[in-house]
Amino acid sequence: KAGVTQTPRYLIKTRGQQVTLSCSPISGHRSVSWYQQTPGQGLQFLFEYFSETQRNKGNFPGRFSGRQFSNSRSEMNVSTLELGDSALYLCASSLGAGGTYNEQFFGPGTRLTVL
Amino acid sequence: AQSVTQLGSHVSVSEGALVLLRCNYSSSVPPYLFWYVQYPNQGLQLLLKYTTGATLVKGINGFEAEFKKSETSFHLTKPSAHMSDAAEYFCAVSDRSGGSYIPTFGRGTSLIVHP
Repeated sequence: KAGVTQTPRYLIKTRGQQVTLSCSPISGHRSVSWYQQTPGQGLQFLFEYFSETQRNKGNFPGRFSGRQFSNSRSEMNVSTLELGDSALYLCASSLGAGGTYNEQFFGPGTRLTVL
Repeated sequence: AQSVTQLGSHVSVSEGALVLLRCNYSSSVPPYLFWYVQYPNQGLQLLLKYTTGATLVKGINGFEAEFKKSETSFHLTKPSAHMSDAAEYFCAVSDRSGGSYIPTFGRGTSLIVHP
């Protein structure tokens, strides 16, 4: 079974631009969660989607948004990029809802650099 | 609010030596506890998890962890380190918040294995 895939793997943007990251979960998984990983803040939860509905949201500004499609694929959007948005963005999928109560399978991440 | 503390951002051991990675948590209710491993340029992989039942949990790659409620700890151990164990390890906790499980990750411990 194919794992979680994320595209693109690397991205370079400038301040003020917006960016869209994509995540394809493992086949049959209906929950997708997004995380931001930085050396300074560690791993922080962004949001979780289950059956096209946002179930949980972390403590991030409204510039960070996401959505999930009927095939469970998910996209994350960051508008008006700031230098501090430079990070590794990880996507994780699981069979059921509830975040890490169910085992999560992580993708390799998208490395975003904001110049 | 829950929090996770991993003692030591770096732990260095010799090949064949005992591995001990420390994790302490604070949570208002009995949490679910997890250890993840992250190899360079990869996403996180679940090593083991504690939800209920036996407090000594065995995971993949010879790792195990013991949940000690009185000490609010969930330390990760492996009797004999291999070079391939060199990676970043994350402890995570989740408890029910508004009906779902919002995960909190520790800052991570980098395990260095010397030949």
